[in-house]
Amino acid sequence: GAGVSQSPSNKVTEKGKDVELRCDPISGHTALYWYRQSLGQGLEFLIYFQGNSAPDKSGLPSDRFSAERTGGSVSTLTIQRTQQEDSAVYLCASSDYRGLIYEQYFGPGTRLTVT
Amino acid sequence: AQRVTQPEKLLSVFKGAPVELKCNYSYSGSPELFWYVQYSRQRLQLLLRHISRESIKGFTADLNKGETSFHLKKPFAQEEDSAMYYCALPPPEGQNFVFGPGTRLSVLP
Repeated sequence: GAGVSQSPSNKVTEKGKDVELRCDPISGHTALYWYRQSLGQGLEFLIYFQGNSAPDKSGLPSDRFSAERTGGSVSTLTIQRTQQEDSAVYLCASSDYRGLIYEQYFGPGTRLTVT
Repeated sequence: AQRVTQPEKLLSVFKGAPVELKCNYSYSGSPELFWYVQYSRQRLQLLLRHISRESIKGFTADLNKGETSFHLKKPFAQEEDSAMYYCALPPPEGQNFVFGPGTRLSVLP
């Protein structure tokens, strides 16, 4: 079946512009995550959605970052007034939460370059 | 708070040599740990999980509760094992995964 998809695959934007990154999770997965992966760095958690619960936004680095998940499916990560330090690969993952035993399925990522 | 550490940022071994990628965790409860792998130009994917006790691509990982470790091991490394490896811990509330900082494994010919 279809895996997690993300669009665009690459985005180049000028400093100060807003960008929107999209994630289509696996159908039926209740949990959706956003991470950031900077060059040579590990995974940085950004935000987590689980069903109809309030999202865990504890990883968002500033108020320029926000995310929505519409209808419990597609999610959009928005970065306002982009800065050069926002350049990174943004990864989305989804999972089907069944108690403790579950895994995350990752998308291919969106490479964001802020010039 | 739950935490995962991977002390080595980069690990280089020669082909055919044994390899061990270290992972230590702090957790209040009975953990279910995972190893994820990211090969060059591929998406991050699950390599193996503690609960299934399986060997994937020759890799195994044993949970040592006394040492709070979940080291990833392979007796004979192959060049195609070169990748970024992340140890991960799902918290008991089923919320956010906690990932370690990752170890980049380079297998030299």
